Amino acid sequence: AQSVTQPDIHITVSEGASLELRCNYSYGATPYLFWYVQSPGQGLQLLLKYFSGDTLVQGIKGFEAEFKRSQSSFNLRKPSVHWSDAAEYFCAVGVPGGSYIPTFGRGTSLIVHP
Amino acid sequence: NAGVTQTPKFRVLKTGQSMTLLCAQDMNHEYMYWYRQDPGMGLRLIHYSVGEGTTAKGEVPDGYNVSRLKKQNFLLGLESAAPSQTSVYFCASGTDYGYTFGSGTRLTVV
Repeated sequence: AQSVTQPDIHITVSEGASLELRCNYSYGATPYLFWYVQSPGQGLQLLLKYFSGDTLVQGIKGFEAEFKRSQSSFNLRKPSVHWSDAAEYFCAVGVPGGSYIPTFGRGTSLIVHP
Repeated sequence: NAGVTQTPKFRVLKTGQSMTLLCAQDMNHEYMYWYRQDPGMGLRLIHYSVGEGTTAKGEVPDGYNVSRLKKQNFLLGLESAAPSQTSVYFCASGTDYGYTFGSGTRLTVV
């Protein structure tokens, strides 16, 4: 079965600084990979996804993520963080043609200081 | 707007009461899911469905039942609510290529 690890429970950055949120997965082949964002009191919104091809994927709100097969990672990045980016971020793994059940990480809470 | 709609948004129950949470999607998705979200626990899958008339247990199914009589609807029932079921409940629908979440139901059991 697949699994997802988000090593950082909380990340604090200053507004305007760069951001990288870590995600590591465990799966025997290349999975489908997703990043979701949850603003306070809201549901989860899809930021970006990777299925195949170019390992650098662009998403909404200026986010990007890079798939690194050798490291089993799919880290989320943003060059300059805005205060409105403060939220909970979830990495998720899906199995192509498979189990129907996406596996979510525990989430990383992003705090943005002015 | 296309998406996933959850009703109600908020509910307070007394211990032992029953209720049903409704999830409706208009994207013709086969897969639907019910999750609960608790502080520090992330999302935990309660039940899921891979098509009309099918349901299956997830990670934390005890105390909950579900039904999917119509493709667009996925109902989550609590037969006898307990304080441990105080949580935020999210419904999602999707395909292998991504999932759309509802805005959640905040349930408090007193």
